Amino acid sequence: DTGVSQNPRHKITKRGQNVTFRCDPISEHNRLYWYRQTLGQGPEFLTYFQNEAQLEKSRLLSDRFSAERPKGSFSTLEIQRTEQGDSAMYLCASSLPTGGANEQFFGPGTRLTVL
Amino acid sequence: RKEVEQDPGPFNVPEGATVAFNCTYSNSASQSFFWYRQDCRKEPKLLMSVYSSGNEDGRFTAQLNRASQYISLLIRDSKLSDSATYLCVVNAGNNRLAFGKGNQVVVIP
Repeated sequence: DTGVSQNPRHKITKRGQNVTFRCDPISEHNRLYWYRQTLGQGPEFLTYFQNEAQLEKSRLLSDRFSAERPKGSFSTLEIQRTEQGDSAMYLCASSLPTGGANEQFFGPGTRLTVL
Repeated sequence: RKEVEQDPGPFNVPEGATVAFNCTYSNSASQSFFWYRQDCRKEPKLLMSVYSSGNEDGRFTAQLNRASQYISLLIRDSKLSDSATYLCVVNAGNNRLAFGKGNQVVVIP
């Protein structure tokens, strides 16, 4: 399978715990995005990488959230001191490097439940 | 004001019928527009890009009205397999996609 992969697919945690998710983009895509989706809503942009550089962060990304892409390949999204409001589907997407209209390919997502 | 507004529905459509819905976007400088399809508990997948001249792909037709800042999608001869949520998407700059809530379509036999 050469699509975007995400791990884990599901994560249940207790409030106050830290969690980390991983995204492996399509290999030739140098752009990587994180989105969050809650029930009944469309995905909301969190952050964007071009290679290893984090170029944009949403105001939704509080200081409890941090994302990295150290080698310009896979990326991790960490949430510290989780809150119940963090419960959502976290989606990763990747795209080719050129132009603004390129299709973003999404992974299957990591569904986070904070108890 | 939200970047992309959609009426979520649901839109209950008899099999074989035509259904149309649209969305509005707030940023008049937006340049790229898309419809994504999302099945229940799955990731969004690109259905089609929306060009200034419109776009047609089989039973699906998308239109862009820049003056009124809305995008439409029309599905002809609806199939049961068309049941899904259709997300209106705008490139909001720096390749950040802004999504609407989605239009939920349920095709009824």
